[in-house]
Amino acid sequence: SQTIHQWPATLVQPVGSPLSLECTVEGTSNPNLYWYRQAAGRGLQLLFYSVGIGQISSEVPQNLSASRPQDRQFILSSKKLLLSDSGFYLCAWRQVGYTFGSGTRLTVV
Amino acid sequence: QKEVEQNSGPLSVPEGAIASLNCTYSDRGSQSFFWYRQYSGKSPELIMFIYSNGDKEDGRFTAQLNKASQYVSLLIRDSQPSDSATYLCAVSFGAGNMLTFGGGTRLMVKP
Repeated sequence: SQTIHQWPATLVQPVGSPLSLECTVEGTSNPNLYWYRQAAGRGLQLLFYSVGIGQISSEVPQNLSASRPQDRQFILSSKKLLLSDSGFYLCAWRQVGYTFGSGTRLTVV
Repeated sequence: QKEVEQNSGPLSVPEGAIASLNCTYSDRGSQSFFWYRQYSGKSPELIMFIYSNGDKEDGRFTAQLNKASQYVSLLIRDSQPSDSATYLCAVSFGAGNMLTFGGGTRLMVKP
């Protein structure tokens, strides 16, 4: 079966610290993958999407970056977190609509 | 710019009533339409999708699409307190294209 894994579930990081969030998909090959952020009480903001290994498109200029080192792995990173980076980060892949991972709740303090 | 609009709510309905959630979209070329349910603190889950004009029913849920009016709705019959959540509308130009999400409508079903 096809599943999407995302970790960690929660994260508390100090301002200026680095970030690495990982997403992996099982049961499919060459998926379209997406990173979204949802601020508290707000809608979904598309951050990055990838249609294949090494292919990353950025939707929002910011201090975040994404990489796709393997077909079914998508990583969201930052060198120095800001307070405004706090939010609920969701990885998704395209099937019928999107299937979302369980999300990572990031609090920058 | 493609836009998807939803009333943020909250929409409050009594248990057993019909909840009607609405969504409008700006891109007349949109072809695929999705409804997601998001419980507080959880990730969105797909509950309905519709591609053709008219109604599509799945259990207590009915999705309605009117492409001429650029309008899609979700009806929830016999609403239950467990239906209390935020409902997100999403629209895609084509089967392989990205989804554009609305801001969501918060539904509250009161016992």
